[in-house]
Amino acid sequence: DTEVTQTPKHLVMGMTNKKSLKCEQHMGHRAMYWYKQKAKKPPELMFVYSYEKLSINESVPSRFSPECPNSSLLNLHLHALQPEDSALYLCASSQEAGPNTGELFFGEGSRLTVL
Amino acid sequence: SQQGEEDPQALSIQEGENATMNCSYKTSINNLQWYRQNSGRGLVHLILIRSNEREKHSGRLRVTLDTSKKSSSLLITASRAADTASYFCATGTYGNNRLAFGKGNQVVVIP
Repeated sequence: DTEVTQTPKHLVMGMTNKKSLKCEQHMGHRAMYWYKQKAKKPPELMFVYSYEKLSINESVPSRFSPECPNSSLLNLHLHALQPEDSALYLCASSQEAGPNTGELFFGEGSRLTVL
Repeated sequence: SQQGEEDPQALSIQEGENATMNCSYKTSINNLQWYRQNSGRGLVHLILIRSNEREKHSGRLRVTLDTSKKSSSLLITASRAADTASYFCATGTYGNNRLAFGKGNQVVVIP
């Protein structure tokens, strides 16, 4: 199984809502990532988890809260978002995080619209 | 973190032609990777080339790496309509747990 599964595929939420994005992989990868991507732009790294511990937070606003319940699951909790947070949110995994970061496996993304 | 920069940004070619994209970067790297993204979808890894390698092939893809010029190129031979996508280079650097993605190339292959 070489898949990274993201749910939901589409999410529309108001600025006062609380929602979560979910990501799952069963490749035994020890590193998992959240990226944000705006239209016609490259992915921007948000968070990196390595061995279920948060290793990188790219100064992401606290209205985004990541969680790694176990080595296969990664969540992104959303609260009090702004319309400018509307984007494609991509989850990815790799065997390891570190200087030899190899191939990243990406999910299909969650398209988020904040009204 | 460093940023790869692809050139050109947009490319439109006829089916069967070759497509070439370039990527430049600023600091020493451990590896350079190319990814494809179809519209609104996730990224798909195409090929990884390590800093001690100069050329790599995978099917219709050929990647070169010139560390002295800090640049890489991706060649897609005999393009197909299904190759229509955005292509991103990404660099991995020593002492860094992140890949730095370049701006991306939009390639349109006209049937």
